Amino acid sequence: GAGVSQTPSNKVTEKGKYVELRCDPISGHTALYWYRQSLGQGPEFLIYFQGTGAADDSGLPNDRFFAVRPEGSVSTLKIQRTERGDSAVYLCASSLTSGENNEQFFGPGTRLTVL
Amino acid sequence: SQQGEEDPQALSIQEGENATMNCSYKTSINNLQWYRQNSGRGLVHLILIRSNEREKHSGRLRVTLDTSKKSSSLLITASRAADTASYFCATDERGSARQLTFGSGTQLTVLP
Repeated sequence: GAGVSQTPSNKVTEKGKYVELRCDPISGHTALYWYRQSLGQGPEFLIYFQGTGAADDSGLPNDRFFAVRPEGSVSTLKIQRTERGDSAVYLCASSLTSGENNEQFFGPGTRLTVL
Repeated sequence: SQQGEEDPQALSIQEGENATMNCSYKTSINNLQWYRQNSGRGLVHLILIRSNEREKHSGRLRVTLDTSKKSSSLLITASRAADTASYFCATDERGSARQLTFGSGTQLTVLP
């Protein structure tokens, strides 16, 4: 079956612009996660959804970052007034539930470059 | 923030040799997972070991977990050039909202 998909695969934008990154989780997966990975580092947690609600957004770096999942499936990560330091690969993952020992399946990521 | 550290940061071996990577973490966990990543994209789940397990095997992979030392190791036996990738450990921390906390990774290069 289809895995987690993310669009676009690459996004180049200018400093100060607004961007939206999309994640399509595996069908039926109730839990969805966003991570950010900088060059040479492991992914860092941003936000987690259980269904439509953000269960934990403690990883969002500041109020320029926001994410939604209005129907409990597709999620959009929104970044306002982008800065060069926002450049990274943004990864989305989903899992069947949010119970313990549930494997997270990752998408291919969106590489964001802020010029 | 990163939970733990992988050791070594980089490892270069010949095809056919075994590769061992270590991971240390800081908090109580529900489980620890190992992932592989090629070319900075697409994390692939390799294996999950629960906090009450000490060793787990999957094909050429062997994972150990020592919760008293807060450490884990990943052994890849009979390595192949296709195993060249970055390997990350990730912990599901007790009391968390199920997000994973990743280490900084080990870059493995297997020379043909």
